[in-house]
Amino acid sequence: ETGVTQTPRHLVMGMTNKKSLKCEQHLGHNAMYWYKQSAKKPLELMFVYSLEERVENNSVPSRFSPECPNSSHLFLHLHTLQPEDSALYLCASSPDSAGNTIYFGEGSWLTVV
Amino acid sequence: QKEVEQNSGPLSVPEGAIASLNCTYSDRGSQSFFWYRQYSGKSPELIMFIYSNGDKEDGRFTAQLNKASQYVSLLIRDSQPSDSATYLCAVKDNYGQNFVFGPGTRLSVLP
Repeated sequence: ETGVTQTPRHLVMGMTNKKSLKCEQHLGHNAMYWYKQSAKKPLELMFVYSLEERVENNSVPSRFSPECPNSSHLFLHLHTLQPEDSALYLCASSPDSAGNTIYFGEGSWLTVV
Repeated sequence: QKEVEQNSGPLSVPEGAIASLNCTYSDRGSQSFFWYRQYSGKSPELIMFIYSNGDKEDGRFTAQLNKASQYVSLLIRDSQPSDSATYLCAVKDNYGQNFVFGPGTRLSVLP
């Protein structure tokens, strides 16, 4: 139990579907992240939110849409994905915007068919 | 482009030996350095971090940092089969929120 909870843990979706990944942190942290981990590639930062404001977006395709309604919750809305988007999506949080350390959730395994 | 490089492995060591994992980084502005362990099918978990040049010890783990050489390493003493995992090196500067991760080194400790 890391204090960062992700749902669903596994998701299979078609290319025309719309789905969302949810992340909730119980650590009182102010910054939250979405990372993508594909086979044989380093962890890739997708989005960073600090105090509910997006502070970094690493040129992620618009078919991924983040939402941070408050400092404890983070969503990743998915629509018209491609098979190459199949990966492990990791949510993480850190105490503040200086981000001294980050704590990962268990991840959501996404398969696009 | 900030980069972090690691030997992908697999690195195989016998049980009880010292495992040495290495990492180099390109951004001289990097200030914080982290080692994460990731078991297959699981999320990364923080092992330790280091900010200053030199060694930092925590139990069987020792992190070593040399900023002049842009090099950070992790030593695992008395390696156990349960240490078999992928070890991720991450670096961060003091200005952004971005942790840059290396590709990870897969360690296999043989009984």
